[in-house]
Amino acid sequence: GESVGLHLPTLSVQEGDNSIINCAYSNSASDYFIWYKQESGKGPQFIIDIRSNMDKRQGQRVTVLLNKTVKHLSLQIAATQPGDSAVYFCAESSPYNTDKLIFGTGTRLQVFP
Amino acid sequence: AAGVIQSPRHLIKEKRETATLKCYPIPRHDTVYWYQQGPGQDPQFLISFYEKMQSDKGSIPDRFSAQQFSDYHSELNMSSLELGDSALYFCASSLGGGASYEQYFGPGTRLTVT
Repeated sequence: GESVGLHLPTLSVQEGDNSIINCAYSNSASDYFIWYKQESGKGPQFIIDIRSNMDKRQGQRVTVLLNKTVKHLSLQIAATQPGDSAVYFCAESSPYNTDKLIFGTGTRLQVFP
Repeated sequence: AAGVIQSPRHLIKEKRETATLKCYPIPRHDTVYWYQQGPGQDPQFLISFYEKMQSDKGSIPDRFSAQQFSDYHSELNMSSLELGDSALYFCASSLGGGASYEQYFGPGTRLTVT
């Protein structure tokens, strides 16, 4: 079976609750940030992105918050559903290394009924 | 909608053998990226190509090489395989180079080296 995420931090939430997944990024020069969702046996799937000139961006049921002062990124999922169960990665890119996405440590989200 | 296609999906090789992974980007995408994801780890950038030219290079071993062809598909060639090369290998594509363009990931190739 899929071995990605065997030893990752895990967040367990009840269906219908809100989820908050946090990420600390490494490079203060990074100017673009993305959240990816990775389900078992699949590649990372784009969820939402944010540029460094913003501190908040909302999508459908998801919100990304960026705090550049402490180099922190968070993903908020409203009304979490069983289909949200997956491993979530934040990624950053730097203007000095424009093709390279640097992924943070993933967080496994488990949604229980 | 068409997605990134990778082949094979699973590959088993022995140490010191070679492997070739293929990636077919989304139609009209001109940039491909290769990532390696070990068990329980985050994806690590290997290399990227824009318009058939190498555009960026990450932590790719010298035993690995890659290229992008005229039809924009890409191949990752891996020689002298080692046990530590066992991982998921993802290809992503985007329209336009640079990480600030949304990268669409393929389903990955699981390489097992025995």
